[in-house]
This record gives sequence, structure tokens and C-alpha cells, in this order.
Amino acid sequence: ETGVTQTPRHLVMGMTNKKSLKCEQHLGHNAMYWYKQSAKKPLELMFVYSLEERVENNSVPSRFSPECPNSSHLFLHLHTLQPEDSALYLCASSQGSGRINEKLFFGSGTQLSVL
Amino acid sequence: GENVEQHPSTLSVQEGDSAVIKCTYSDSASNYFPWYKQELGKRPQLIIDIRSNVGEKKDQRIAVTLNKTAKHFSLHITETQPEDSAVYFCAAPHNDYKLSFGAGTTVTVRA
Repeated sequence: ETGVTQTPRHLVMGMTNKKSLKCEQHLGHNAMYWYKQSAKKPLELMFVYSLEERVENNSVPSRFSPECPNSSHLFLHLHTLQPEDSALYLCASSQGSGRINEKLFFGSGTQLSVL
Repeated sequence: GENVEQHPSTLSVQEGDSAVIKCTYSDSASNYFPWYKQELGKRPQLIIDIRSNVGEKKDQRIAVTLNKTAKHFSLHITETQPEDSAVYFCAAPHNDYKLSFGAGTTVTVRA
């Protein structure tokens, strides 16, 4: 299943670097999400976009900046990250407007390491 | 907001036996409870979900039960097979747009 594609798969960056994560969905869905997955911790929702409009911002630090230019693409811009930001960042999409009762289709994730 | 507790954190079962994972939630108004499976190195995938208007839902070897009074729901896997080995996550609504996930249960099926 390759409906949601994330690049890069792995990323190592220093605390002063600026990088971006990219997500593309080929499912014709209207909503896109960023989740953070840390070891031994629950999946944490970061952002939800519905038809390019942000509908949920889960108190994420400003060093994470999302961008949704259209309903098929989602970016996460990273700058001045901290080592504790190291995690697997998962993108997801859903068919509807981003509400909680929609099936989420996840990408394979970007494994981020901050040195 | 919703607080979701998931137990156990790890579960080892003999192939062919059953596995049960339980989650509790705090908001009595919650009405949607999905379960996601994540195999090692792969993406999470929805395997089953249940809405609060039913008490049980079954799909082949997988079933989910919901007890609204006690505010808990459980995943049941019968006749476990090696391909059932994975991390399983439950979730409950935090608000209209956010699911609160449990911390996950690592299931290992022994051959």
C-alpha cells in the first residue's frame, strides 16, 4: 500500500539546521495529519489539516511549522530542534474533514535524529 | 480531554491461543474507539473500530467489545498466528479532531 508517501525515510540533523519533511497522499483524501511517535509513548497528534485549512494544533512548539499547500501535500518544517524531538514522524490522511471517526491511512514515517 | 490507559504493555501467547488487550477511557461522552496494528518497521493500520451504539463487533479472528458503563473496551484475537505479532494501539476521542492513543501493547505469538 503506497497511498501515503513520506520523504525522507531517515533524517539526521543538528540543532541549528533547518530541514523539511514531506508527505504526499494519492488517495484523494481531504484531511492530512502529522503525528509524532516516540519509543514507549502514545502516538501524539501534532497537526490536522482539512482541505488545506488547519483545524487542530495540539500545542506544538513553534520550532515545528506545518504547511499544507493543497489537499495532497503536507510539509513539516523543522528548525532549531532539540534532541528530545528525535522520533518517528508519521503523516496520515483521511477521506473526510479530519474528524475523529475517520479511518487514518498512515505513511511509513520519517525517522528523525537530532544531534 | 480523554485519558486512555492500555494494558498489558507486552503480551506473549502460544500460537493458536487467544490474546486480549484492554483499554480504559475517562470521558463518558466518547463514542468512537479504533484499534490500530503496527508491525515492526511498518506503518500503523486500522484493524477494527467500534462506535458507542453497539457493544461488540467482530471481523474474522478479531473482535472488539465495549462496556460503556465501566468505560473500557477490549480487543480479542482468537487462534493467534505468527503474523499477529505486532504493536496494537487503542484510541478514544479527545475532541472532534483529536484521538488520544494508548501507549501500545507489544504482542508476540510464539510458534
